[in-house]
Amino acid sequence: DAGITQSPRHKVTETGTPVTLRCHQTENHRYMYWYRQDPGHGLRLIHYSYGVKDTDKGEVSDGYSVSRSKTEDFLLTLESATSSQTSVYFCAISESGQLSGANVLTFGAGSRLTVL
Amino acid sequence: QKEVEQNSGPLSVPEGAIASLNCTYSDRGSQSFFWYRQYSGKSPELIMFIYSNGDKEDGRFTAQLNKASQYVSLLIRDSQPSDSATYLCAVNTGGFKTIFGAGTRLFVKA
Repeated sequence: DAGITQSPRHKVTETGTPVTLRCHQTENHRYMYWYRQDPGHGLRLIHYSYGVKDTDKGEVSDGYSVSRSKTEDFLLTLESATSSQTSVYFCAISESGQLSGANVLTFGAGSRLTVL
Repeated sequence: QKEVEQNSGPLSVPEGAIASLNCTYSDRGSQSFFWYRQYSGKSPELIMFIYSNGDKEDGRFTAQLNKASQYVSLLIRDSQPSDSATYLCAVNTGGFKTIFGAGTRLFVKA
């Protein structure tokens, strides 16, 4: 798993509550990503980070924020969870962000979030 | 809207047969192409990537790329029941954003 740990692995929460998912990596990778996976949609990029305090939006960033204060930790926050954010969330790292070779992603085990 | 399209399946093949998985993409600027395998309840894992037209082989797996037709395929030779999984096609247009297809479910019957 390339030293990637996601927490919590499972969470059930109620609409309107804040939720933070944590991705921790132990191999000093510069590039980190948050994806969500839903049936019929595949994996969709929420936010990504290309260094400490350097983050940017992906294709489905509305309702989500991220922070990266240390190389090893990338946090995904749902400020006010909605039922549409029920999903499986995957953190990923890559050796390279730009195309030098290929941007191969290695994924964490995933966090299953249910918003009631 | 950049898209990656895959047949959702399920694709069912007998053990020992060749499984052929296909993917099309919409962005002609796409530069690198990936196949990931995802077992039920698990995270995706890379099978192989390709960025030049033609074939790339790795063991029982062969990726094929045709940029003119915007088409990528994955062939699995001598399919095994352990190959039963969802196969995700992914495309990177350069930079940080990799677009995934919804995946094709493969069943290999013993």
